[in-house]
Amino acid sequence: EAAVTQSPRNKVTVTGGNVTLSCRQTNSHNYMYWYRQDTGHGLRLIHYSYGAGNLQIGDVPDGYKATRTTQEDFFLLLELASPSQTSLYFCASSHRARDTQYFGPGTRLLVL
Amino acid sequence: TQTVSQSDAHVTVFEGDSVELRCNYSYGGSIYLSWYIQHHGRGLQFLLKYYSGNPVVQGVNGFEAEFSKSDSSFHLRKASVHWSDSAVYFCAASPSNMGYKLTFGTGTSLLVDP
Repeated sequence: EAAVTQSPRNKVTVTGGNVTLSCRQTNSHNYMYWYRQDTGHGLRLIHYSYGAGNLQIGDVPDGYKATRTTQEDFFLLLELASPSQTSLYFCASSHRARDTQYFGPGTRLLVL
Repeated sequence: TQTVSQSDAHVTVFEGDSVELRCNYSYGGSIYLSWYIQHHGRGLQFLLKYYSGNPVVQGVNGFEAEFSKSDSSFHLRKASVHWSDSAVYFCAASPSNMGYKLTFGTGTSLLVDP
């Protein structure tokens, strides 16, 4: 089974702070995704990538940057965090588009 | 607006009951549909998917789902639930004209009373 890990698992920052969320997958998947999960909205796609150096914009990209440094590693960057970005963030990976997505355990972010 | 709709936010049943969790979508054309389960405090896990062929698809742990083009639906069913099936269930869709993005519904929380 695909292994997707995320760090940190919990993060607290202040408004205007700089946050980096990390994701690593060890099954050589091509696609990686960042989602946020909020009550009443389900999961919403922030950014995704189909390979190292590639970045695609998702449905809710405002306020977020992302970078895929290697096939294994995908980072989500919040350069000026705002309270509206308080959420549960999930990373996922899949071998090909529309293949089964494998999710990490999530990172809970609180922006004060 | 193209959407995935899960009309029931919460469903409660007793252990051994059958259950159906509803999912409707509003996209036209060919579509890829899937269901995921999220246990409390965990990431999502894949249950089953449909793209073409037999409209009834089997998944893990006795779950199945049926695609209906006429109803724009992909409802999830299980004949006899166990307390361990208590979780949040998400329906997801990827229309063929929207690239590779998967759009999730808002989820249905299933509580199975023992």
